[in-house]
Amino acid sequence: DQQVKQNSPSLSVQEGRISILNCDYTNSMFDYFLWYKKYPAEGPTFLISISSIKDKNEDGRFTVFLNKSAKHLSLHIVPSQPGDSAVYFCAAVVYGNQFYFGTGTSLTVIP
Amino acid sequence: DAGVIQSPRHEVTEMGQEVTLRCKPISGHNSLFWYRQTMMRGLELLIYFNNNVPIDDSGMPEDRFSAKMPNASFSTLKIQPSEPRDSAVYFCASRNRDRVKQYFGPGTRLTVT
Repeated sequence: DQQVKQNSPSLSVQEGRISILNCDYTNSMFDYFLWYKKYPAEGPTFLISISSIKDKNEDGRFTVFLNKSAKHLSLHIVPSQPGDSAVYFCAAVVYGNQFYFGTGTSLTVIP
Repeated sequence: DAGVIQSPRHEVTEMGQEVTLRCKPISGHNSLFWYRQTMMRGLELLIYFNNNVPIDDSGMPEDRFSAKMPNASFSTLKIQPSEPRDSAVYFCASRNRDRVKQYFGPGTRLTVT
């Protein structure tokens, strides 16, 4: 059973605009959430994380928002660039070691 | 830093054959994870080790799958016998236990015909 869900398999955005990637989860015990970015033929690379005690974390063009009551998090990329085109995975952690990943959202940034 | 190293990068084998995937974690990292990526289920955690000890293997799909970590710098994931439904990309990741962030290897693309 998928405890972390990314319901949008793909997303297309114009360069310079905002990209919003969404993720839903079911387990209220998750204590950390992460976003990973994956290019073809490479392993996922860490992008940004957020603790369950926070509702926002920002790193440059990337901001993650956490809504615990809705069990929802989102990744905002502003402004989007063609190099951001990749698959983005949402992940959640419980007990510090059990990682659960979503199925990924493929982002295409159109020049 | 060489990052997490996985071998082989690609493996094509026939059903029924034994397959061994290899992983060298980043030096100094004390947790190691094996994942399988499929279109339907995304990244699934198969097993993880802390200080070379398997902690949770509940994600291992069947007894045909086994994993070992004989020392801090090497781990294997073995499938015997392999089946076509095992075809997927297998990733290894490592991290320091006091950090949440994992570092992934480039993956092994396994095709079982």
